[in-house]
Amino acid sequence: QSALTQPASVSGSLGQSITISCTGTSSDVGGYNYVSWYQQHPGKAPKLMIYDVSNRPSGVSNRFSGSKSGNTASLTISGLQAEDEADYYCSSYTSSITPHVVFGGGTKLTVL
Amino acid sequence: EVQLVQSGAEVKKPGESLKISCKGSGYSFSSYWIGWVRQMPGKGLEWMGIIYPGDSDTRYSPSLQGQVTISADKSISTAYLQWSSLKASDTAMYYCARHTTTVTPRYFDLWGRGTLVTVSS
Repeated sequence: QSALTQPASVSGSLGQSITISCTGTSSDVGGYNYVSWYQQHPGKAPKLMIYDVSNRPSGVSNRFSGSKSGNTASLTISGLQAEDEADYYCSSYTSSITPHVVFGGGTKLTVL
Repeated sequence: EVQLVQSGAEVKKPGESLKISCKGSGYSFSSYWIGWVRQMPGKGLEWMGIIYPGDSDTRYSPSLQGQVTISADKSISTAYLQWSSLKASDTAMYYCARHTTTVTPRYFDLWGRGTLVTVSS
């Protein structure tokens, strides 16, 4: 069981927008602005898409955006494209026990 | 080119030891924390720990402390993940990734391609 809770799957049509949620606690998501999101295509290494809740690394499309409210963070992908179909993982700093990072269980995005 | 190059796939028997590597290039290796992430077959990502090659300061996930050893040799820009006695449950893909320059565990911005470790009798 992962420390952060994500929906197992989401789907959306080409051109539409989708949002993936990531729910934690006040010891992780809710307590710090250190949430990040990763995209992983099958057989590939993860790729950083969002860091520190809402920042995009250089080279990541502005169709990807992040936000947070309370203990829940969200990743929104607008203008869905076929290449967005992948697994998405959230992660957060946690102060539980010793400082470290916890991941969500991952969400499979299907583009219809 | 900024990159992390990991060592090749390994097949080991339970009880054997193993050390896999991750060589950084194209950036100041000693100035960034570098970490390891486990992905068991068909499963999600798991943060294992990070090390600062400059002084070998290391932080481990509470769930994995004592089960693996993370080390680094800054003279050859290489980080390592080591097991003294492998178990079948260690079968997984292991990714090394560059962390931020801060000690607070946050995010990985550069990833290696992964090293597949298979432990089977």
